Amino acid sequence: QVQLQESGPRLVKPSGTLSLTCTVSGGSFGPNNWWSWVRQSPGKGLEWIGEIYHSGSTTYNPSLKSRVVISVDKFKRQFSLRLSSVTAADTATYYCAHVGGSCSGGRCNSVGWFGPWGQGIRVIVSS
Amino acid sequence: EIVLTQSPGTLSLSPGQRATLSCRASQSVSRTSLAWYQQRPGQAPRILINGTSMRATGIPDRFSGSGSGTDFTLTISRLEPEDFAVYYCQHFGDSPRFTFGQGTKLEI
Repeated sequence: QVQLQESGPRLVKPSGTLSLTCTVSGGSFGPNNWWSWVRQSPGKGLEWIGEIYHSGSTTYNPSLKSRVVISVDKFKRQFSLRLSSVTAADTATYYCAHVGGSCSGGRCNSVGWFGPWGQGIRVIVSS
Repeated sequence: EIVLTQSPGTLSLSPGQRATLSCRASQSVSRTSLAWYQQRPGQAPRILINGTSMRATGIPDRFSGSGSGTDFTLTISRLEPEDFAVYYCQHFGDSPRFTFGQGTKLEI
C-alpha cells in the first residue's frame, strides 16, 4: 500500500519560493504511476497544481504554470514542488497524491483520480 | 476549462436519512472522468467513487454515484455519524488536467 508524506518549510516569505517534498513508501514508484500536488485554501477550495510521471514528464495547471516546477528523484522515491514568487494567496494546505494507471498493450493511461493522499502540510506565506 | 458546480453548499440531515449531492459540469463530460471524494475535518480527501459509479476499495455500499452528460449525483442511502463531512466532485480532462467542485458540506 502506497503511503505519502509531505515535508518542507511551513513559513515562506512573500516573493520567495515555496519548496516541498513528498516521500513515497510502499507500493511501486515505477511506470504506471503519476504523482500530483494539490492545494487547499479557504478561498479557493481544492486546486490541482501539477503532476509528474515516473519518466519525469510534467503537466501543470495553466493558472500556476509560470511559477511551478515539479521534479522527481526515483532513487529516493521522492517528488518535489517548487512554487516561486509566492504571495499571501499561496497560503494553503499542500497535499501530495498518487494517481494510478491502467495498462493495456504496453501503454499506460492515468486512471484520473487521486488515491492515496498525504496528510497535508500547512504553508503560510508571511513576512 | 470544465467548471464543476456542486449543490447544495450545505446539506443538513440526520443519521439514518438519505443524502443526495449534486455536481453539475459546465459542459458534457465522460462518465469515466468523474470522481467523488470525502473530506473529514483535519484529514486529507479520500476517494469514494470513480468513473461516476464505481466505489473505491473499502467504501460501504451505502455510497453510490450516478449521472451522465453534465449532471452527476452522489447518494448516501442511510447516513451514519461518520458520513458528516465535506464532499467534492472532480473531473479528469485536458486543461487543466484535474478540476474540483467547490464542495458540499454535509452537517447534522
